[in-house]
Amino acid sequence: AAGVIQSPRHLIKEKRETATLKCYPIPRHDTVYWYQQGPGQDPQFLISFYEKMQSDKGSIPDRFSAQQFSDYHSELNMSSLELGDSALYFCASRLDRYTEAFFGQGTRLTVV
Amino acid sequence: GESVGLHLPTLSVQEGDNSIINCAYSNSASDYFIWYKQESGKGPQFIIDIRSNMDKRQGQRVTVLLNKTVKHLSLQIAATQPGDSAVYFCAETSNNNAGNMLTFGGGTRLMVKP
Repeated sequence: AAGVIQSPRHLIKEKRETATLKCYPIPRHDTVYWYQQGPGQDPQFLISFYEKMQSDKGSIPDRFSAQQFSDYHSELNMSSLELGDSALYFCASRLDRYTEAFFGQGTRLTVV
Repeated sequence: GESVGLHLPTLSVQEGDNSIINCAYSNSASDYFIWYKQESGKGPQFIIDIRSNMDKRQGQRVTVLLNKTVKHLSLQIAATQPGDSAVYFCAETSNNNAGNMLTFGGGTRLMVKP
C-alpha cells in the first residue's frame, strides 16, 4: 500500500541557508500536516492543509512557509536556518477527521 | 544514544506483563483520539483509535480506555513483548476548529525487560 513519502531523508545545512522539504501524501487524502520533533520531544504541530488550502497554523516560525500544490504534494520552505531548527520533520496525511493520520519516515535536518 | 535533556516519562515492565500508559488531555471539545507508537528515528505508527462516543475499544493485544469526565485516556498492552519498546503518544482532534488539527500529548517511553 502507498505510504506518505518524504524527501530528502537527511539534510545538512549551514546557518542562514535555506532548506526545502517535500511531502507526497497518500492518494485521496485531503489533509496534510507538518510536524517538528526535537530530540526527546513530542511532535510539535507546524501547519496543515485541507484540500490544498492552509487550514491550521501552529508554532511555525515566520522564517518557515509551506504550500500544497495542485497534485497534493506539499513543501515546507525554511529560510535563515538556525541551529535550533535541527530536528526531525514529519509530514502526515489523513483521509478525514475521524481516521488516523499516516506519517512519513521524516526528514532529519541538521543545521551546522 | 539518548540526547541530553531527554525527559520523557518512562515505564519499565517485564516481558509478558501488562503495560498501562496514560494520557491526559485538556480540550473538552476533543472528540477523536489516537495512540501512536514511535520507534527511534522513525515516524509515528498508528496503534488504535477511539471516538468520544465510546469509552473502550479493543484491538489485538491493545485496549484504549477513554474517560471523558476526567479527560483521561489510557493504552493497555497485554503480554508486553520486547518489540513493544518504543515511545507512545496520544493525539487528539477537536471539533472546535474548521480544520482537522491533530495535537500530540506528552510521550511515554516503554522499556520492556526480557
